Amino acid sequence: QKEVEQDPGPLSVPEGAIVSLNCTYSNSAFQYFMWYRQYSRKGPELLMYTYSSGNKEDGRFTAQVDKSSKYISLFIRDSQPSDSATYLCAMSAGGTSYGKLTFGQGTILTVHP
Amino acid sequence: DAGVTQSPTHLIKTRGQQVTLRCSPKSGHDTVSWYQQALGQGPQFIFQYYEEEERQRGNFPDRFSGHQFPNYSSELNVNALLLGDSALYLCASSLGFTGSNEKLFFGSGTQLSVL
Repeated sequence: QKEVEQDPGPLSVPEGAIVSLNCTYSNSAFQYFMWYRQYSRKGPELLMYTYSSGNKEDGRFTAQVDKSSKYISLFIRDSQPSDSATYLCAMSAGGTSYGKLTFGQGTILTVHP
Repeated sequence: DAGVTQSPTHLIKTRGQQVTLRCSPKSGHDTVSWYQQALGQGPQFIFQYYEEEERQRGNFPDRFSGHQFPNYSSELNVNALLLGDSALYLCASSLGFTGSNEKLFFGSGTQLSVL
C-alpha cells in the first residue's frame, strides 16, 4: 500500500464547474500538506500549503485537511480551461524530514469550454 | 527574480553510461532536493543537500549521487544507467530547515531517456 493514494482520474468537467480533488494517506506523522499543479513538460507549481488540520482559501482554490480521517481535498471553484493540468498532492512530516515530500500519483484534470 | 533552473532540458543516454544533471536554486534559497518522476507517476524523493552535505536520502541506490557547491547550486550524478532510470528529474529549492522549508519550488526538469 502506498503512503499517499490519489485517484489518477482522468477528470473532465465543463468550464465553470466545481472540481473536487482528493488524497488519502496512511502515515500519521504527516503534518504539512500541499497541492501542486503541473502542466505538461513542466515542473510542479505550488498552489496551496497547509500545516495540520483545517481549511485554507486562496482565490478560487480551497484546501481542506482532516488529519483524523487522513484525508485532504482541493476544491476549485469556477473552473477555467487554464486549470487543465495534473494536480499532485504532497505531504511531509517536517522535523528531520523537512523538504522530503511524499507525492500522490497525480490527477489529470481537463476543463473544456 | 530567477526561479529554479535546470540543465540540460533533455538528454539521451545508453545503458551503462553515466550522466550529470545540474540545478541552480531560486535566488535566496540554500537547500536543494532532487526528485525522479516516472511517466504517469508523482515525483519520488532522491536526496536533499544543505550546507554542501547530503541531509536526507530516499530509497535510491548508490548509483545516484550528488553534490552541492558553495553557491548552493547542485549536481545529480547517475552511474551505470539502466532503462528504468528514464524519467523526468526535478530539482527543487527551499530555504533552510525551518517551517517554510516545506514550500519547495521546482524547476522544469531534465527529461532523461536511456536507450
